[in-house]
Amino acid sequence: GQNIDQPTEMTATEGAIVQINCTYQTSGFNGLFWYQQHAGEAPTFLSYNVLDGLEEKGRFSSFLSRSKGYSYLLLKELQMKDSASYLCAVRVSTDSWGKLQFGAGTQVVVTP
Amino acid sequence: SQTIHQWPATLVQPVGSPLSLECTVEGTSNPNLYWYRQAAGRGLQLLFYSVGIGQISSEVPQNLSASRPQDRQFILSSKKLLLSDSGFYLCAWGPGAGGNIQYFGAGTRLSVL
Repeated sequence: GQNIDQPTEMTATEGAIVQINCTYQTSGFNGLFWYQQHAGEAPTFLSYNVLDGLEEKGRFSSFLSRSKGYSYLLLKELQMKDSASYLCAVRVSTDSWGKLQFGAGTQVVVTP
Repeated sequence: SQTIHQWPATLVQPVGSPLSLECTVEGTSNPNLYWYRQAAGRGLQLLFYSVGIGQISSEVPQNLSASRPQDRQFILSSKKLLLSDSGFYLCAWGPGAGGNIQYFGAGTRLSVL
């Protein structure tokens, strides 16, 4: 089976930094994705890592270590609007179907 | 630019009634199409995916079926809804030929009573 694990919930203060970890054990690996999902809304794409290292995109950065089966999403200068669920997803195979396996999501609560 | 439309946004149906949810994509050709279900507090579960007209693959056995009558149209159906079919249904598209990122529609919140 496929296992993708991330913490259920994290709380942080406005202006702070939060790191959301994701570990995966899958039968294959062809990329890791992070999505943001506000309550009652659809997920929106944040980042994609297929090579080891850090990808920075504004206040958000994503890191990947394939040898460790580990990724994190780093949210800097937290804003109230960053309160949302953050989903880690792995593309398991290299076929053309692009199927993703999702973790259960990490609910981030930003407090004033 | 590409857009994805999904409707209805909310649906309340009695047990045993039929279901039809529709998803259409604009601005791209031959997309991969996906149906997901998200139970409350849970991750996204892939239900069906399609790489072309009439080509449907099912990921989990269930009470639902999917069809792709046109290149950019994906339909999720059921003949008789169960209570356990309640959830948040999301349609997504991704570029064909091995493209990676999936883009989601706004979702349909289905309550079966």
